[in-house]
Amino acid sequence: AQSVTQLDSQVPVFEEAPVELRCNYSSSVSVYLFWYVQYPNQGLQLLLKYLSGSTLVKGINGFEAEFNKSQTSFHLRKPSVHISDTAEYFCAVTDPLGGGGADGLTFGKGTHLIIQP
Amino acid sequence: DTGVSQDPRHKITKRGQNVTFRCDPISEHNRLYWYRQTLGQGPEFLTYFQNEAQLEKSRLLSDRFSAERPKGSFSTLEIQRTEQGDSAMYLCASSLARGWENTIYFGEGSWLTVV
Repeated sequence: AQSVTQLDSQVPVFEEAPVELRCNYSSSVSVYLFWYVQYPNQGLQLLLKYLSGSTLVKGINGFEAEFNKSQTSFHLRKPSVHISDTAEYFCAVTDPLGGGGADGLTFGKGTHLIIQP
Repeated sequence: DTGVSQDPRHKITKRGQNVTFRCDPISEHNRLYWYRQTLGQGPEFLTYFQNEAQLEKSRLLSDRFSAERPKGSFSTLEIQRTEQGDSAMYLCASSLARGWENTIYFGEGSWLTVV
């Protein structure tokens, strides 16, 4: 079984400062990793994904994440945040060889990014 | 590509009533998923379809819940005899699963409040 731990439930950051949202996963098999963003009262939007290849992946809105297999981490970073980045961020993992259901996406509990002016 | 659309976006219902949500996936996506999300939690898997076949259901999906995807396109999720614990956002998602690629795209969600 897979699991995802988002170590921080809430991260306050000043505008234009850098931010890192932490994500660790556990899995006995290889994984695909995702970050989704959820703005208030909306669904989830895919930020970026790691399937294979380069461990540094770039996504939308200036976000990037680095896959670290030895530390089983997939932390999300942005060098300079804006007020509009205020949202809930979810890390998710899936088994590439698994089915689409319960073996599909497993989410963390989310990290609320709060941008302070 | 119009994205995954869900209807209604918000529903308030009295306990004991039945509710139905509709999801239209991204065109040509063969997989369709239903997730539930409660406040302060990440989405939890409920069920998914490969074309019109419902391949898996979570233990979270009680007998009061039923989902269909009759022609392999849109899907409905019905909740019978709603309870206050059913209050949540119901998220629909779709993907084009082929080979090793299966990126899942979510809709805006349907909020259910049971009073």
